[in-house]
Amino acid sequence: DGGITQSPKYLFRKEGQNVTLSCEQNLNHDAMYWYRQDPGQGLRLIYYSQIVNDFQKGDIAEGYSVSREKKESFPLTVTSAQKNPTAFYLCASRGQGVTDTQYFGPGTRLTVL
Amino acid sequence: GDSVTQMEGPVTLSEEAFLTINCTYTATGYPSLFWYVQYPGEGLQLLLKATKADDKGSNKGFEATYRKETTSFHLEKGSVQVSDSAVYFCALRRNNAGKSTFGDGTTLTVKP
Repeated sequence: DGGITQSPKYLFRKEGQNVTLSCEQNLNHDAMYWYRQDPGQGLRLIYYSQIVNDFQKGDIAEGYSVSREKKESFPLTVTSAQKNPTAFYLCASRGQGVTDTQYFGPGTRLTVL
Repeated sequence: GDSVTQMEGPVTLSEEAFLTINCTYTATGYPSLFWYVQYPGEGLQLLLKATKADDKGSNKGFEATYRKETTSFHLEKGSVQVSDSAVYFCALRRNNAGKSTFGDGTTLTVKP
């Protein structure tokens, strides 16, 4: 089945450690996105990529890094520079049609201990 | 810049009540408009969309009409069910933009 997978579902990290969240899609979509969602709040864009080997900062990129070496993969690294990393992280992808919608993964809940 | 303003929640309704969640937007040009739904602990799912003025998107009994004159895309359902309890997000994307703009979400709770 086509879709977006994120792993793991739950992730625990010690303060000061970097951690990488996985996002894979088999929808053949060019564009991929990472969002952060805090309890009771909306989505904030961290990074997005419209094509392989290219990505742009979103609204809250500080303390995060990404890579886009393959079309189907867009991993997000939460670095120790991110001061408040505990949140729900959502990955999404979209085709290149002007009216194409975003498809979201199931999310990863990151907790810093 | 682009922005989306949603009706503040939470919204609590009894089963079979009529639902309206207001959404207004600011954007240049002619954006596409979307409603997404998020169930607890899950990602967002597309509920419906409209890509030009006067289009009506509909799905699972929900409807929304793209009103360019009032820059609105209000979500409606004639008779809500307990299973409709979720967070609803309004969003827009201009056709030449790589990213979407989301509202803050409205939490709906339907009581039996």
